[in-house]
Amino acid sequence: AQSVSQHNHHVILSEAASLELGCNYSYGGTVNLFWYVQYPGQHLQLLLKYFSGDPLVKGIKGFEAEFIKSKFSFNLRKPSVQWSDTAEYFCAFPAVSGGYNKLIFGAGTRLAVHP
Amino acid sequence: DGGITQSPKYLFRKEGQNVTLSCEQNLNHDAMYWYRQDPGQGLRLIYYSQIVNDFQKGDIAEGYSVSREKKESFPLTVTSAQKNPTAFYLCASSIRPGQDSYTFGSGTRLTVV
Repeated sequence: AQSVSQHNHHVILSEAASLELGCNYSYGGTVNLFWYVQYPGQHLQLLLKYFSGDPLVKGIKGFEAEFIKSKFSFNLRKPSVQWSDTAEYFCAFPAVSGGYNKLIFGAGTRLAVHP
Repeated sequence: DGGITQSPKYLFRKEGQNVTLSCEQNLNHDAMYWYRQDPGQGLRLIYYSQIVNDFQKGDIAEGYSVSREKKESFPLTVTSAQKNPTAFYLCASSIRPGQDSYTFGSGTRLTVV
């Protein structure tokens, strides 16, 4: 079955620390990949996306992600986190089931950044 | 501004009652989705619709029902058959399913008392 795995469920960092959140997907075909973020009390919003081309994708707020096809991975990175990055992060990719498209999400990673 | 409106934001229901969650979009998107979010489980797909008058069950459709009579509206009914309905429900839409990112509403938190 098509699925997305996020390895870290809870991450705690101090401000200015570097961040890397793991994401692996199980799908061998053409892949589109997304990272969404949910800040406390807010709705889910798109952080970045990969459709094709340069495997290093840059998103909003200094985030980036690298698509490594051989590892089925799409890890999210940020060189220096801020307190305002405290949020829950979801990796996702669209899958086809019964001729219909749907977005499959990972379990999410809760990031807490301490001042 | 275009977007998705979910209402109400908070909803309380007694056991044994059906309740309907509203989702309206003015983005002219064909596809709409309902997800359920529980701590540590991410988002799980309940129902989705790619076109008016058509919808498909997602991974956890039992105890839920939907309708898609208009392009803009995709209401979700949580029936009394849903064994564990207390959760955060998110509605989303997209232009081209599988090829574009989704736009999400702000969610409805349902609590069964």
